Amino acid sequence: EDKVVQSPLSLVVHEGDTVTLNCSYEVTNFRSLLWYKQEKKAPTFLFMLTSSGIEKKSGRLSSILDKKELFSILNITATQTGDSAVYLCAVGGADGLTFGKGTHLIIQP
Amino acid sequence: NAGVTQTPKFQVLKTGQSMTLQCAQDMNHEYMSWYRQDPGMGLRLIHYSVGAGITDQGEVPNGYNVSRSTTEDFPLRLLSAAPSQTSVYFCASSRDRGHYEQYFGPGTRLTVT
Repeated sequence: EDKVVQSPLSLVVHEGDTVTLNCSYEVTNFRSLLWYKQEKKAPTFLFMLTSSGIEKKSGRLSSILDKKELFSILNITATQTGDSAVYLCAVGGADGLTFGKGTHLIIQP
Repeated sequence: NAGVTQTPKFQVLKTGQSMTLQCAQDMNHEYMSWYRQDPGMGLRLIHYSVGAGITDQGEVPNGYNVSRSTTEDFPLRLLSAAPSQTSVYFCASSRDRGHYEQYFGPGTRLTVT
């Protein structure tokens, strides 16, 4: 059975801090790892990673995949209150996407 | 460009009632799926379809039926609602099964009393 574990499950930081969110996985026939941001609505796509060691970057967000150790991290630098959300990690395998439970990130002003 | 649309946005059912959650996409995507999201459980796959006429079960299919008669539409049917089906339901689509960047609909919040 495919499994995706995210940590921490919740995190409270102050505006301006840098945060690192973790995602580890056990998936049959790994094909890709995705990060989504979910505010009080549908998840929105952030990144898709398929190759180890290649950083994907978008503004203050970046992510990298380690296929040997089976994990990924999502970094957010200079956090803003608008970054408050649930961040979901999902892994694409033989049966489609398997999601982790998410990290609930709260940015305090 | 509407993307993925879902109706209704909210629904309250009594135990034993049936209903259909509607999902449509206008991106000509082959792959469509239904998820439910419960507090602390993440998103769990209910059913999916890799193309018109083809459906398959996901992680939590019991109590739900689907059909895919057209590329655009993928309705989810609850035949006899139970309180355990109280959840937020998301429909999603992607270009095909190998492309995992899925586009999500706005969700349906279902309460079964």
